[in-house]
Amino acid sequence: NAGVTQTPKFRVLKTGQSMTLLCAQDMNHEYMYWYRQDPGMGLRLIHYSVGEGTTAKGEVPDGYNVSRLKKQNFLLGLESAAPSQTSVYFCASMAGGNQPQHFGDGTRLSIL
Amino acid sequence: RKEVEQDPGPFNVPEGATVAFNCTYSNSASQSFFWYRQDCRKEPKLLMSVYSSGNEDGRFTAQLNRASQYISLLIRDSKLSDSATYLCVVSHTGFQKLVFGTGTRLLVSP
Repeated sequence: NAGVTQTPKFRVLKTGQSMTLLCAQDMNHEYMYWYRQDPGMGLRLIHYSVGEGTTAKGEVPDGYNVSRLKKQNFLLGLESAAPSQTSVYFCASMAGGNQPQHFGDGTRLSIL
Repeated sequence: RKEVEQDPGPFNVPEGATVAFNCTYSNSASQSFFWYRQDCRKEPKLLMSVYSSGNEDGRFTAQLNRASQYISLLIRDSKLSDSATYLCVVSHTGFQKLVFGTGTRLLVSP
């Protein structure tokens, strides 16, 4: 019953460090998404993928890269972390059009 | 202008009250509509989909008015456990992306 699993759940980075957030889903969903949520801003789409091997930019893609080498995994990378990237990051997956998205329980990232 | 707009609240209501939230969306081509619930520091969870004819799930009723580009959520007999932020969500072009409102916060008190 895992659904969407995000790792890690918490991380503190220093400015300029790099890291990768992992999202894994076991529902065989085609679509996967990465969002960030900041106070008063709501959820903002960073990148998304409509299938294995494909990725696309969302609303706020700058400073992030993604990869979808396997259908079940969607990786979000920060090459050189900046304090402005301090946020809560949510991954989601969706079976197809007109369907709701299912979310992981988030990664809380602080960049000092 | 935001694509999905909600009153941020908070709405403070006593247990047992009926409360209604409204949401407007700007993209007339939006096709799918949802209400999500988000508890503090938790992930959003689907509350219910919203259908053109309106739909009900227990104490929750959702309505869609395509002409006015307006979605509503009615909660009857509020419970303490209903305290959360309610997110209005619409599909974006190609049905591949969802656009989230910033949410309406509900506080139910004893």
